[in-house]
Amino acid sequence: NAGVTQTPKFQVLKTGQSMTLQCAQDMNHEYMSWYRQDPGMGLRLIHYSVGAGITDQGEVPNGYNVSRSTTEDFPLRLLSAAPSQTSVYFCASKKTGHLNSPLHFGNGTRLTVT
Amino acid sequence: EDKVVQSPLSLVVHEGDTVTLNCSYEVTNFRSLLWYKQEKKAPTFLFMLTSSGIEKKSGRLSSILDKKELFSILNITATQTGDSAIYLCALPHGSGNTGKLIFGQGTTLQVKP
Repeated sequence: NAGVTQTPKFQVLKTGQSMTLQCAQDMNHEYMSWYRQDPGMGLRLIHYSVGAGITDQGEVPNGYNVSRSTTEDFPLRLLSAAPSQTSVYFCASKKTGHLNSPLHFGNGTRLTVT
Repeated sequence: EDKVVQSPLSLVVHEGDTVTLNCSYEVTNFRSLLWYKQEKKAPTFLFMLTSSGIEKKSGRLSSILDKKELFSILNITATQTGDSAIYLCALPHGSGNTGKLIFGQGTTLQVKP
């Protein structure tokens, strides 16, 4: 059981480049989300989805797009990378409607924008 | 505005010490409080607390919630170097049970041999 799989693990971009961070889960979780983690700021929610075809903004959505065409996949797109987007990105998923179901995290993507 | 504040932000102890990590919160609709441990990669789930005064325990780790004073503590006794990690506190926020979590800044614990 793979759980939540993120690719790539590391990425370096130049300012203005675009890229897509991939996230896939094989647990049939309805809820999927993207967080970024910066020193001293914990995890901040970028975008989330409660099911295929449904997405919504989190706390820090600017500069990022998402789509959810299938239950399994939830890619995060950086449209025009900026140095402020240098961060570690985590994808996470869970079953909705289950209060005691914890969030499952991928292993993260470390992104550097120069 | 929902808020989660952890203290201290960082802590250095020696093996065998006992540590107490704090998490205070303000959320509109409390449902639960969660603790996660993050070593090199993904945060991993430790505890979920929903009721005041009931201690959750797993080995040397324990946690308790005070819903009146709006805080939780995570205790680690007889610390080991393997306990070195970032400890994150999080609460569900927003309406319904979508899965959205708000996180504190995290406490970075370093346990020296």
